[in-house]
Amino acid sequence: RKEVEQDPGPFNVPEGATVAFNCTYSNSASQSFFWYRQDCRKEPKLLMSVYSSGNEDGRFTAQLNRASQYISLLIRDSKLSDSATYLCVVTPYNTDKLIFGTGTRLQVFP
Amino acid sequence: DGGITQSPKYLFRKEGQNVTLSCEQNLNHDAMYWYRQDPGQGLRLIYYSQIVNDFQKGDIAEGYSVSREKKESFPLTVTSAQKNPTAFYLCASSTPHLGINEKLFFGSGTQLSVL
Repeated sequence: RKEVEQDPGPFNVPEGATVAFNCTYSNSASQSFFWYRQDCRKEPKLLMSVYSSGNEDGRFTAQLNRASQYISLLIRDSKLSDSATYLCVVTPYNTDKLIFGTGTRLQVFP
Repeated sequence: DGGITQSPKYLFRKEGQNVTLSCEQNLNHDAMYWYRQDPGQGLRLIYYSQIVNDFQKGDIAEGYSVSREKKESFPLTVTSAQKNPTAFYLCASSTPHLGINEKLFFGSGTQLSVL
């Protein structure tokens, strides 16, 4: 089983739609969780850290479910500019290594 | 402006040739990293360095070498022993201990292709 698993997509959604991605992780002792956004052939950029209590930043909401070992990203009112690959990133306990998922591709159409 | 710079943006390697990818940062970060990304794949860690003159192998270090003689610089050499070097290479830096509020700063990447 991979350490971090994501559905590669693509998720094709119309503008204004709400879309959600999940990401599962295998190490129950993982301590930090992040969502990064990556545009085609560009560097990843931090979208949000994921807190235990869940957190929201504008149209984006991130949640952590430790019991089921997954994190989620919800995007409301999708914009064309949201089209990108969303990478799930996990830091195992007591390490500075980041484990990247393969990414979920989102395509928002007019 | 502070940042992390990778060069070149595109690089071509002939069979049996060693090539070096440059990575420079002026963020005063102690930790630096090299990742490789293949199409449809996540980022895989090649080497990382937490402090000057020290570095550790990541998950796919075979066929690569690094040096960390200066805090600002972490060049990656792709040696002839790396049989499948075609990939997108990303350099990153961070403060030493990545916690919930820390993040990686990435360079813009180098696309390496074999001629």
